[in-house]
Amino acid sequence: EADIYQTPRYLVIGTGKKITLECSQTMGHDKMYWYQQDPGMELHLIHYSYGVNSTEKGDLSSESTVSRIRTEHFPLTLESARPSHTSQYLCASSKDSTEGQPQHFGDGTRLSIL
Amino acid sequence: KNQVEQSPQSLIILEGKNCTLQCNYTVSPFSNLRWYKQDTGRGPVSLTIMTFSENTKSNGRYTATLDADTKQSSLHITASQLSDSASYICVVSDRGSTLGRLYFGRGTQLTVWP
Repeated sequence: EADIYQTPRYLVIGTGKKITLECSQTMGHDKMYWYQQDPGMELHLIHYSYGVNSTEKGDLSSESTVSRIRTEHFPLTLESARPSHTSQYLCASSKDSTEGQPQHFGDGTRLSIL
Repeated sequence: KNQVEQSPQSLIILEGKNCTLQCNYTVSPFSNLRWYKQDTGRGPVSLTIMTFSENTKSNGRYTATLDADTKQSSLHITASQLSDSASYICVVSDRGSTLGRLYFGRGTQLTVWP
């Protein structure tokens, strides 16, 4: 089993609240990713990081922001949650080179905005 | 446009039977193809990774094949078990960037009945 953890697993919260989804990995991986997944749909990359102090936006536009102050920690923040943010958010990590290296995924945070 | 298409969308089989899932892709330039298993409420877990030169790769009862000429892959599951019930996701990586961009299929939802 991969050592990557996401909290909380489930979150139901009202519109306008600030939310932080936590993601931590203990494998020392440099590359980390955030994906958004809706039921029956493919994963969409929303943020990624090559290492400490490196963050980039992914393919799917997202109002969320991320930070990478420590190698093992890659939190995602929504400043003001809206119902359109309701989705499952998956965090992943991989070794420095993705050539032939699998991404290790956390179990996700299922977010519901009322 | 780089795409990954999976079929069937869903499949129901009886325990002990074999099945084959299909993946067609148009991603270019091709780097590698991965199959992931995603249990309900969990993150995806890597089953196999195949590069251009590999035709077949096995992981226990899972055998993946790759035909890079026709851009097709299949995942064969032998002697299915109830625990095989999950979504199986095909993911193709290109060589167009340092990140090794990943293209995700929508998955095949497999249900194994006793």
